[in-house]
Amino acid sequence: ENVLTQSPGTLSLSPGERATLSCRASQSVSSSYLAWYQQKPGQAPRLLIYGASSRATGIPDRFSGSGSGTDFTLTISSLEPEDFAVYYCQQYGTSPLTFGGGTRVEIK
Amino acid sequence: QVQLVQSGAEVKKPGSSVKVSCKASGGTFSSYAISWVRQAPGQGLEWMGGIIPIYGTANYAQKFQGRVTIITDESTSTAYMELSSLRSEDTAMYYCASSGHYKPLDPWGQGTLVTVSS
Repeated sequence: ENVLTQSPGTLSLSPGERATLSCRASQSVSSSYLAWYQQKPGQAPRLLIYGASSRATGIPDRFSGSGSGTDFTLTISSLEPEDFAVYYCQQYGTSPLTFGGGTRVEIK
Repeated sequence: QVQLVQSGAEVKKPGSSVKVSCKASGGTFSSYAISWVRQAPGQGLEWMGGIIPIYGTANYAQKFQGRVTIITDESTSTAYMELSSLRSEDTAMYYCASSGHYKPLDPWGQGTLVTVSS
């Protein structure tokens, strides 16, 4: 299976700062079938980015995704208070679908 | 737009089984895949398996092979996930999520908490 490793585990930042989250795959992700999800406490995950760089419907443009092959990045250009949450990457190009372990973005 | 509504919380004894439902509304149920993802308390997301109703054959993660069964009832646009031989480590929130062919998981159900305790 394609193992996804996210780093860092926790990111401590202040509102207004830039957040850069990394996701590295053990095998090349087919056709950039890589997604990013945001999860807040007590809520289901919400799709942010698909196809490595396309924003889902209604997602603000401060969220951007990039990368290909085995290295992917989620960038939040300027953190808003509502962006402090856990973020997961996921590949959906091959079965089994796999998720990274998550990056917690917390208020510094 | 597809919406997914899951059944309510369950408390089960070790060794028993649990069956969680996921009812879809909007869209064409038979043409998109339904996946089941679980999340243990304080842990990450884990894909358990999925099914495309029009094909009827489920695909399971190796970890759950032999213990999980995913089926659909097209007449009610409902997917089901049954997990057997429950143990305490199966205590988790269980989510269903839909996806198109080679598409991400979106949207997700609200989650069903399954607690396994003697």
